[in-house]
Amino acid sequence: DAGVIQSPRHEVTEMGQEVTLRCKPISGHDYLFWYRQTMMRGLELLIYFNNNVPIDDSGMPEDRFSAKMPNASFSTLKIQPSEPRDSAVYFCASSVGLARQETQYFGPGTRLLVL
Amino acid sequence: GQNIDQPTEMTATEGAIVQINCTYQTSGFNGLFWYQQHAGEAPTFLSYNVLDGLEEKGRFSSFLSRSKGYSYLLLKELQMKDSASYLCAVPGNTGKLIFGQGTTLQVKP
Repeated sequence: DAGVIQSPRHEVTEMGQEVTLRCKPISGHDYLFWYRQTMMRGLELLIYFNNNVPIDDSGMPEDRFSAKMPNASFSTLKIQPSEPRDSAVYFCASSVGLARQETQYFGPGTRLLVL
Repeated sequence: GQNIDQPTEMTATEGAIVQINCTYQTSGFNGLFWYQQHAGEAPTFLSYNVLDGLEEKGRFSSFLSRSKGYSYLLLKELQMKDSASYLCAVPGNTGKLIFGQGTTLQVKP
């Protein structure tokens, strides 16, 4: 298996622009997670899906962030409009089940820089 | 709520043993994970403990004491490639993983 796939790997954009991050989970995994990692705040869960349905989006910072999962093999995280404080590494992860027992497999991440 | 504490940084010598501690507070307990993250890379799974005691997996072992809200990761025969951040994580109420800030380990020759 190719593992979790994310694109782009790097993104540099200007404040106010729309940013779309993409993720393809491991086939057969029912759970998909979006995380953000910064030096200050560490690794934070933004939202997770079960069978394409958003379950917990309490970590989504504000209305500028939105996430979708139109099918089992694709998810997007969109930031509109982007701000410099959104600069971070965004990871997508997937798992067979919930964290109680199941390992989460992380993608390589998207390094976002908002100027 | 959940709270996880780990030391920020540690330094150890190649070939030595190092113990990375993690204390946690959760309203319920559903196990504890350790992940390794090399600089510029994604976190990768190391271990999962749900019962008290020590679980050994090669050079790495993980210990859990549920009554003390305490875990540690033990790395033996340290190698330079073990230089990385080590993240302690516990599932929250809804099952999502709550991560600690991570401990950055530097292994020196």
